[in-house]
Amino acid sequence: ETGVTQSPTHLIKTRGQQVTLRCSSQSGHNTVSWYQQALGQGPQFIFQYYREEENGRGNFPPRFSGLQFPNYSSELNVNALELDDSALYLCASSFSNREDGYTFGSGTRLTVV
Amino acid sequence: GDSVTQMEGPVTLSEEAFLTINCTYTATGYPSLFWYVQYPGEGLQLLLKATKADDKGSNKGFEATYRKETTSFHLEKGSVQVSDSAVYFCALSTSGTYKYIFGTGTRLKVLA
Repeated sequence: ETGVTQSPTHLIKTRGQQVTLRCSSQSGHNTVSWYQQALGQGPQFIFQYYREEENGRGNFPPRFSGLQFPNYSSELNVNALELDDSALYLCASSFSNREDGYTFGSGTRLTVV
Repeated sequence: GDSVTQMEGPVTLSEEAFLTINCTYTATGYPSLFWYVQYPGEGLQLLLKATKADDKGSNKGFEATYRKETTSFHLEKGSVQVSDSAVYFCALSTSGTYKYIFGTGTRLKVLA
C-alpha cells in the first residue's frame, strides 16, 4: 500500500504571498490532519478533515485553510504569508481517526522570505 | 490544557548503551500515548503506542510502559545502534479528540 505523499517537498515564498500544499492520503484512509513543525519544535496541530468536512482546528488564524477532496486527498492553503510561517508542514492520514496512530508524510519545507 | 514534556536533548550514547528518554504528560481524560521517530529529512514514523494504563508498547527493541500513577511514558532500549540516531517525539491523544499533542522532541545521537 502507498503511504502519505506530499508536494512540493520544498518551497520558497515571499512575505504576503499565498501558498497551497498538497497531500495524498494513504490508501484506505479517510481522515487527514495537518501539522506545522517549526525548527527544533514538536508538530503543532492545524486542523483535521474527515469526509471532506473540517473536523477540528488548532490555534491557527483563519488565513490557514484547507480542503479535502472525494478521494480523501487534501490541500492546505495559507494566505498573507508571514516570516513565522516558515516551517515543515506535515500531513497525516488515518482511518476514521482510529487511535492506531497516524501515518505521516515526509512534509513540505516552506521558507518565507 | 493537555501537554507533553520530554527530557531535553541532545542525548549522546555509545553503541550498545542503554537508552532512556523521559516523557511525562498532563491530560484531563484518559489519553492514548505514542512515541514517534523522525529521521533526518523525513516525516514522523510511529514507533510504538499504548492505549490504557499499564499497557506496554514495543517495537524494534524499543519499549515504553503507560504509567498512570506517575503520568509517564518513558522510552527505553537495551542496546542502541548507530541507526537509532534520530529525533524522538512523545505524543498523546485524548479519546474523543482529533489531534495529537507532541512534546518538543529529543535528539538521540549514537556513536560507533
